Amino acid sequence: IAGITQAPTSQILAAGRRMTLRCTQDMRHNAMYWYRQDLGLGLRLIHYSNTAGTTGKGEVPDGYSVSRANTDDFPLTLASAVPSQTSVYFCASSETSERNEQFFGPGTRLTVL
Amino acid sequence: QQPVQSPQAVILREGEDAVINCSSSKALYSVHWYRQKHGEAPVFLMILLKGGEQKGHEKISASFNEKKQQSSLYLTASQLSYSGTYFCGTEGTGYALNFGKGTSLLVTP
Repeated sequence: IAGITQAPTSQILAAGRRMTLRCTQDMRHNAMYWYRQDLGLGLRLIHYSNTAGTTGKGEVPDGYSVSRANTDDFPLTLASAVPSQTSVYFCASSETSERNEQFFGPGTRLTVL
Repeated sequence: QQPVQSPQAVILREGEDAVINCSSSKALYSVHWYRQKHGEAPVFLMILLKGGEQKGHEKISASFNEKKQQSSLYLTASQLSYSGTYFCGTEGTGYALNFGKGTSLLVTP
């Protein structure tokens, strides 16, 4: 692995189902982030983690949860998916949380029907 | 709280210049700029810090007016490769970024 990876690349999901989007980085970055991107709304922060073991809420956290059990992984879980969660999800990481370049993963396109 | 970007979209011919603006209603300590090409992930351009320091890879110039809580990105002598959507980001809780809605730039031959 080189950089930051996300899985799956795309997914179609029935409303009400549980889904976990995976994100892994091999850069030993302390900080990780989840964004959703919707047309006309730009990138909106869902949750973040400044270091392993800690997480924080972003601008649009409702309906999503995260965990950061180790440095490399930062999964995003939709407990019960709804159609409004149809979006492209990007995971990102940075060396530290404070004023550093963020590296983005390739994204996951999620459709909730 | 999302920063506000302007314009929403701009179309240029190769070689022309463009300015993209980013403003915030709250005090800024830094402004981050990213570019996203269609179907790809956003890519870092630069960070402008309070006090005048800049960190970045690209030969792109930008300004940061702390008093006015504004930043501008200057794209001079534009090339086809400059096409994409540009996002500015400002610090929110825990240094995580709040991004603007983006400015779509199309450079034509």
